[in-house]
Amino acid sequence: ETGVTQTPRHLVMGMTNKKSLKCEQHLGHNAMYWYKQSAKKPLELMFVYNFKEQTENNSVPSRFSPECPNSSHLFLHLHTLQPEDSALYLCASSQLRDTITGELFFGEGSRLTVL
Amino acid sequence: QKEVEQNSGPLSVPEGAIASLNCTYSDRGSQSFFWYRQYSGKSPELIMFIYSNGDKEDGRFTAQLNKASQYVSLLIRDSQPSDSATYLCAVKGSSASKIIFGSGTRLSIRP
Repeated sequence: ETGVTQTPRHLVMGMTNKKSLKCEQHLGHNAMYWYKQSAKKPLELMFVYNFKEQTENNSVPSRFSPECPNSSHLFLHLHTLQPEDSALYLCASSQLRDTITGELFFGEGSRLTVL
Repeated sequence: QKEVEQNSGPLSVPEGAIASLNCTYSDRGSQSFFWYRQYSGKSPELIMFIYSNGDKEDGRFTAQLNKASQYVSLLIRDSQPSDSATYLCAVKGSSASKIIFGSGTRLSIRP
């Protein structure tokens, strides 16, 4: 496999459910990201992990809990979500060390619907 | 003030013409600037990046950066219907790991 892989691609959950989104990157990058994309809103940065350490938490509610066990895997644990959390959740990776650019490579996204 | 601002469009351009997309940013310490293209229902894909003042050309695409004016643009020459998409401007600011996106400009190329 190549690039950034996200599972599941689609998820429907109730407000009391607990689920997780998974992301895996095969690019050898050292940083991984979660972004949220809602209709008519900019991509919102949620979390950044650099060498497995969280370096950014963009005031995300605690019902979203990230986990980064190694530099290739990233999870987003979801619990007691609200309908307004329905969105496309995008995982991305980049190479930060010694690069001025560090452009992002995105996965295909996980489309989440909260009922 | 939004960190990265773009005109949401839609911008309608005839096939074969030049499409011009603009973006302004607020963080003067920003280092790198990116243009992503996003087709409906798909994830963003990188088209170009630029980090020095001036122009950078890649095929039909030219990115322009003016740090003094905090302005970055993307020109698409010989526009094709396949260029119809939303174009996202992204900026890497003072924090090396933080890349902020604008809301995107929807571009429509009419045959």
